[in-house]
Formats: sequence, structure tokens, C-alpha cells
Amino acid sequence: KQEVTQIPAALSVPEGENLVLNCSFTDSAIYNLQWFRQDPGKGLTSLLLIQSSQREQTSGRLNASLDKSSGRSTLYIAASQPGDSATYLCAVRPQSNSGYALNFGKGTSLLVTP
Amino acid sequence: KAGVTQTPRYLIKTRGQQVTLSCSPISGHRSVSWYQQTPGQGLQFLFEYFSETQRNKGNFPGRFSGRQFSNSRSEMNVSTLELGDSALYLCASSAAGGFGELFFGEGSRLTVL
Repeated sequence: KQEVTQIPAALSVPEGENLVLNCSFTDSAIYNLQWFRQDPGKGLTSLLLIQSSQREQTSGRLNASLDKSSGRSTLYIAASQPGDSATYLCAVRPQSNSGYALNFGKGTSLLVTP
Repeated sequence: KAGVTQTPRYLIKTRGQQVTLSCSPISGHRSVSWYQQTPGQGLQFLFEYFSETQRNKGNFPGRFSGRQFSNSRSEMNVSTLELGDSALYLCASSAAGGFGELFFGEGSRLTVL
């Protein structure tokens, strides 16, 4: 069974810092990996989708990388802002028959202080 | 383009009752999936539908059921509610046969008393 782990569970940084969120998964047979952000009491907002054949994706100040062979992905946030405060979730879609379901990590709760 | 719409946003039920939640996917998306989110368990997959067919079901009791209509709208039903069913229920839709980027709604917050 695919296990997805996110480290750290919580992170507090001052505004302006560059930061890295980590995601690891146990089975490298994945179809794709997706990063989400979730604000308190809200749904999930898709940030980046990386296909298994890709190494990285970029959107604005966000850059996500994927190393499928080692079972790792990182989300890099440049020049963090208080508005980036949220929980960030990583999810993998396995290549197996259960590929219709995403396996989620527990998330990293990020607080960016002014 | 409208996003994924879930109704109702909040609801309170008592143990033993049943509840039906509704989800309208993004226009053109034929895959709809449902997830339960709780503080202890995180996000757990409930089921996925594509063109009115359930393709996959998570490890939940039979009290949890769902369906999809010909217009891709989906409903999920929970019967004989238990306290542990209190959670945020999230619906997501995707294109590309269901293997594309997943887009979520705002969720339905269910409280069981």
C-alpha cells in the first residue's frame, strides 16, 4: 500500500524566506504527483501537477520537483509571504488499478509571519 | 469556468439519521471522486465515478454509497450516521479519463451529534 509522508508537519518562517517542503512515497510506480494548498475550513486548491515522466513544474514563486526513483518530491516556495500561510498537501496517483484514487500525505502546516 | 460545487456546505445531523451530499463537477469533467477528511485520519478516498460507473471504492463500510448521473453530477449518501462520520467531505473532478489534475470543491462539513 502506498504511504505518503510529509516532513515537517509544521513550519514557521519569517516573511521573505525561501523554503522547501518535503514529500516522500513508498512505491515509485506512480502516474503523477500533485501538490495542493488548503486554507482553514476550505477545500483543496491545486498548485502543481507533475507527471511521472517529468522532473519539475513551476508556477510563479512555486517550483515542484519529482525524483520518482527515490520516492521524493519537494515544493520550493520563493520569497514567502503571509498569504502563503496554509496547509500544503502532497498526493500521489498510483499506477495500479487503484489509480483512480489519490494517496495523500498528512500535510505541512505553514505559517509565514510578517 | 465554474469550479466544483458542493452542497450543502454545512449540516448537522443526529446519530442514526442519513445524509445526502451533492457535487457538481467542472463542466466537461466526467470523473468525480469523493474524499473524507478528518483531523486524525487526514484525507481518505471514498469512491470514484466515471460516466455513471463506480470504478473504485475505498475502505469504508457499506453505509457509505454514491452515484453519478448522466450529467456527471454526483451524490453520496451516508446512512445510519455515527459520531465518527463527522468530517469534511470533499468532492473532486478531473478530465483526462480521471487521471488528470484533480480539482476540489469547498467541501460539505458534516457534524453528527
